[in-house]
Formats: sequence, C-alpha cells, structure tokens
Amino acid sequence: DAGVIQSPRHEVTEMGQEVTLRCKPISGHDYLFWYRQTMMRGLELLIYFNNNVPIDDSGMPEDRFSAKMPNASFSTLKIQPSEPRDSAVYFCASSWGLSRTGGPETQYFGPGTRLLVL
Amino acid sequence: EDQVTQSPEALRLQEGESSSLNCSYTVSGLRGLFWYRQDPGKGPEFLFTLYSAGEEKEKERLKATLTKKESFLHITAPKPEDSATYLCAVQLTGFQKLVFGTGTRLLVSP
Repeated sequence: DAGVIQSPRHEVTEMGQEVTLRCKPISGHDYLFWYRQTMMRGLELLIYFNNNVPIDDSGMPEDRFSAKMPNASFSTLKIQPSEPRDSAVYFCASSWGLSRTGGPETQYFGPGTRLLVL
Repeated sequence: EDQVTQSPEALRLQEGESSSLNCSYTVSGLRGLFWYRQDPGKGPEFLFTLYSAGEEKEKERLKATLTKKESFLHITAPKPEDSATYLCAVQLTGFQKLVFGTGTRLLVSP
C-alpha cells in the first residue's frame, strides 16, 4: 500500500496567488482529513469528509480556504488569495469509518505539503 | 471544552536513560487515545491506540498506558533513533475527528 499521497511536497508562492494542495487517500478509506501544523498552534483540523461529503469544516480559517473531494481517491485544499500567515505544513490523513470495526479508527497521515507564502 | 495537554514540551535524555511522557485530557467522552511519532519533515506515524482505562500497549522500547484522566508513554533504555516529537490525540465519543496535544520533543543523546 502506497499510503496517503500528497502533492506538491513544497510550495513557495507570493502573497495573493492561488495555491492548490492535493491528496490521494489510502484506497478503501472512507474518511479524509485536512490538517494544518504550525509551531504556534500545533496540529489543527481544518475539514473532514465522509464518503466524499464534507462533514465538519469548522476549522477552516476563513473564506479564502476551500476544500473539495470530487471522488473517493482525490481531494484538494485551495487557498485563494494566499497570505503570509497561511505559511505552514498541511497534512492530509485518511481512515476507515466509525462503523467498520466498532472501535476508534486510526488516521494515517501523508508526508505533508510545506507551504511558504512570501 | 475538550482539551489535551502534553508534558514536558521538550525532554533530553542520555542513551539508556528511561523516562515517561505525559498526556492529560479533559473531554466529554473518550472513544480512544492515540499516540503518534513525528520525525522532522514527515507526517505523524501511528504508534498506539488505547481504548479504556487500564489498557497497556507495547512496541519495542515504548509502552503506552491509559487511565481515566491521562496517558503515559514510557520509553525504556532509549536510543538516539527514538529522537522525535511524540503526539497524543483523543477521539471523542460519536465523532471521527481527533484533538491533538502540542507534542513532546524528545532528544536522545548517545
């Protein structure tokens, strides 16, 4: 299994530009999560999907952020326009659903996209 | 408010010097507690899941334990390759999302 795949691994852009981050979850997983990690705030959940449907986007910082999951094997996180304070590492994670085993479900993380907005 | 607190923030050990990391939580209902390891420039790597108070899990030099208010990650005779940030996260009853602590940065010197 290839694990969760994210691209690009590094992104440097200028303030005001549009940024698109991509994620391919582990095959068969029906939950997908987007996180942001900074030194100041640690790992924060932005949004998560179940069967391609957004369930909770309360962590999305503002309207400049949007996320989509057009199918079970692909998701995007878009920032438009980008700002320097968006600089962070963005992680995608995936897991099985709650009902599959009856227990807490492990989330498996991708390698992250390191974003720098100048 | 659901909260997860890890201590210490940073820990420096000599190779072979055993110690413990703490994760305390105040949540409305615990479905499970997770430990992850994160190396610089990489994503968190799953270590353990603990479901209920009294449970213990072991993997090589690591042992995780759970009580009703906290979890410990015990590191026995650590090696330099155990150096990493260790993250604790809780999953709440009825929810899929995780609430993470801010982590403990562990450095093991040879």
